[in-house]
Parts: sequence; C-alpha cells; structure tokens
Amino acid sequence: RKEVEQDPGPFNVPEGATVAFNCTYSNSASQSFFWYRQDCRKEPKLLMSVYSSGNEDGRFTAQLNRASQYISLLIRDSKLSDSATYLCVVNRPGRRALTFGSGTRLQVQP
Amino acid sequence: DVKVTQSSRYLVKRTGEKVFLECVQDMDHENMFWYRQDPGLGLRLIYFSYDVKMKEKGDIPEGYSVSREKKERFSLILESASTNQTSMYLCASTPGLGTDTQYFGPGTRLTVL
Repeated sequence: RKEVEQDPGPFNVPEGATVAFNCTYSNSASQSFFWYRQDCRKEPKLLMSVYSSGNEDGRFTAQLNRASQYISLLIRDSKLSDSATYLCVVNRPGRRALTFGSGTRLQVQP
Repeated sequence: DVKVTQSSRYLVKRTGEKVFLECVQDMDHENMFWYRQDPGLGLRLIYFSYDVKMKEKGDIPEGYSVSREKKERFSLILESASTNQTSMYLCASTPGLGTDTQYFGPGTRLTVL
C-alpha cells in the first residue's frame, strides 16, 4: 500500500463549481498534513496546512479525519486559475522528511 | 522571499557520464532535499540533509550520492548516469524540524541518452 494515495483525476469542472479531492495516508503516527499545488511545468508550492479541527483559506477548505486516516480539500467557486495538480503531503514520523502523494489534476473549464 | 536555485533547467547527458546537479538556498535553512518526479509516480525522495556534512537516504538512493559541504548548497551526483535516471529533479529546503513548508527550486529536467 502506498504511504499517501490520491485519485489522479483529471477532474474536469466548469468555472464556479465546487470540487473535492480526497487523500488517504497509511502511517497512523503522522502528525503534519499539507496540500501543495503544482502548476504545469512548475515546482510545487504550499497551498495550505491541514489542522485537526479543519481550516479554511478563502475558497479552500481542508479537513482531517484521523480515525479514517483521510484528508480532504474542498475548492468552492472554482476559477480557471485553480487548474493545477494538487499534492497531498504527510510527514514521516521520526524523520525530517515528508511523503508526497502523486497528485490530483484539476482542470477548470470556461 | 525564500529563493532556491538549481544550476540548470535542462541537461542532456550520455549513459555512463558523471552528472552533478547543484542546489543553492539563500535562507539559512537547516534541511535540504533532493526528489525526482516522474509521471504517475509523484515526487520520490532520493536523499536529504539536515546539517552540513550530514545526509540521510530517502526512498530511492540507489545510483545517487550527495554532498553538503556548505549549509546553503546541496549537490546531487549521478556517479554513472543511466537512461532510467531520465527525470525531473527537484531540490527543496526547509528550516527547523523538516515538517515546515518546503521551498522548491524550479527543477532540472535531465535526459540521459
């Protein structure tokens, strides 16, 4: 089983739609969770951290379910500029490193 | 702004050549990382370093070595390049415990012929 699993997509949605991505992780001892965004032919950049109680940043909402080892990202009112690959990222307990999921590709269409 | 730079955006080498990929960060970060990214496989950790002259193997260290002689510079070395090392190589750095935000360089697209 992969340490971090994501649906690769692509998710094709119209502008203004709400879209949700899910991610599962295998190590129950993981404590830090993130969503990164990667534009085509660019490097990944931090989108947001994911906190236990859930957190929101504008149109983006992240949720964590520790019991199910599941992380989600909800994007409301999608914009064309949201088109990118979204990477689910989890820390490696006991090591100063992160594990990146393979990413979910989002294409927002006019 | 944190800046992570990589020595080349594109590199073409021949099988058997020794290849050096350089990464420099300007924010005095403790930790530096080398990843490779391949379609369908995502980012895979090759090596990382949490201090000068310290290194730790990642998930796929075979065929690679690293060097960190100065805090700001982390080099990835392919001792004898092979075609299966054709990939996008990304360097990243982060302060503190390594679970902080990772700042990535722009990547080096390496092709081994």
